[in-house]
Amino acid sequence: AQKVTQAQTEISVVEKEDVTLDCVYETRDTTYYLFWYKQPPSGELVFLIRRNSFDEQNEISGRYSWNFQKSTSSFNFTITASQVVDSAVYFCALSDTLNTGGFKTIFGAGTRLFVKA
Amino acid sequence: EAQVTQNPRYLITVTGKKLTVTCSQNMNHEYMSWYRQDPGLGLRQIYYSMNVEVTDKGDVPEGYKVSRKEKRNFPLILESPSPNQTSLYFCASRGRGGNEQFFGPGTRLTVL
Repeated sequence: AQKVTQAQTEISVVEKEDVTLDCVYETRDTTYYLFWYKQPPSGELVFLIRRNSFDEQNEISGRYSWNFQKSTSSFNFTITASQVVDSAVYFCALSDTLNTGGFKTIFGAGTRLFVKA
Repeated sequence: EAQVTQNPRYLITVTGKKLTVTCSQNMNHEYMSWYRQDPGLGLRQIYYSMNVEVTDKGDVPEGYKVSRKEKRNFPLILESPSPNQTSLYFCASRGRGGNEQFFGPGTRLTVL
């Protein structure tokens, strides 16, 4: 069965600190997709990134970076120089094959990030 | 503007009174899905649809029904709501081969 674990329920940092949100997943599929979403206090869900199981390259987008390691089944998310606007709940998610068969997606429980000024 | 809309945004109802939450997308997406969000549990998939007239159960389908008669619409039906269905519900859509799911704004449902 597929599973996504975000062990950190809440994290609190001071502005400008770096913070890493952990995500560990379980799947028996050889082809799968991993996602991160942000849910700010306003409640909408904002897509941040998708990574497929064949691409282990790390990715950087501005202050955001992602570290995908198949060997440890992890897809961690780092925010560099955090800002108050980064305060949100962040969800990691796992999906089976996107283009054939299904659209089943499993979300982690989320990590609530507080960034204090 | 590309978007997923849900109605109503807020609903308070009583046990056993049938209700429908509508979801519509204007992006011609094949895939649509319903999730519920509960504290400490993240989002859990209720049902999903790969195309018109093709639907399948997610992880928590009990007590819910869906239909996909048109590509743009994917209503969620609660035939006999119960208090344990009090939750925040999200509809989402995605195109074939697309990178991301587009989520609706959410519907907060309270069943008394």
